Amino acid sequence: AQKVTQAQTEISVVEKEDVTLDCVYETRDTTYYLFWYKQPPSGELVFLIRRNSFDEQNEISGRYSWNFQKSTSSFNFTITASQVVDSAVYFCALSEAGISGGYQKVTFGTGTKLQVIP
Amino acid sequence: DARVTQTPRHKVTEMGQEVTMRCQPILGHNTVFWYRQTMMQGLELLAYFRNRAPLDDSGMPKDRFSAEMPDATLATLKIQPSEPRDSAVYFCASGTFGTGFGYTFGSGTRLTVV
Repeated sequence: AQKVTQAQTEISVVEKEDVTLDCVYETRDTTYYLFWYKQPPSGELVFLIRRNSFDEQNEISGRYSWNFQKSTSSFNFTITASQVVDSAVYFCALSEAGISGGYQKVTFGTGTKLQVIP
Repeated sequence: DARVTQTPRHKVTEMGQEVTMRCQPILGHNTVFWYRQTMMQGLELLAYFRNRAPLDDSGMPKDRFSAEMPDATLATLKIQPSEPRDSAVYFCASGTFGTGFGYTFGSGTRLTVV
């Protein structure tokens, strides 16, 4: 069974600080996808990134970066020079490809609430 | 930008009433999910469709919930009869199977059952 753990329930940082959100996953599949979503106070879920299990290359997008390490089953998310607009709940998610890629249920972690203080 | 459209955005209803939530997935997407979000349980998968066929609805209370896709442009989630514990935000998401791309979520329906 697939599982996603986000141990940090809430994090507060002062604006311009860097912050890392942790995500640890469990899966028995060798083919899977990992995601991060952002949920701002307005409530919508915004897709940030997808990573497949065969691509361990870290990715940077502006102030956002992701560190995928299969050896530790982690997919951590770092925001550099945080801004007040980054305040949101961030969800890590996992989708297993299943037998013959036939099933892609997406399981979410419980989320990490990030508060960036001006 | 293409969007997943959910209606209504907010719904307040009395216990025992039927509630229908609608979702218009992005044109061309063949996968639709229904999720429920509560403070206690977080994001729970209720149902999952591919090419309009239900693949998994094990997360849904079968006695009162039903999910359908009458056509490719409409997914519905019904609760009958509704109960206060059904109060939550219900999200619909759509995507394309096989690509692993991030699924696009609608804005959600905030349901309050009193």
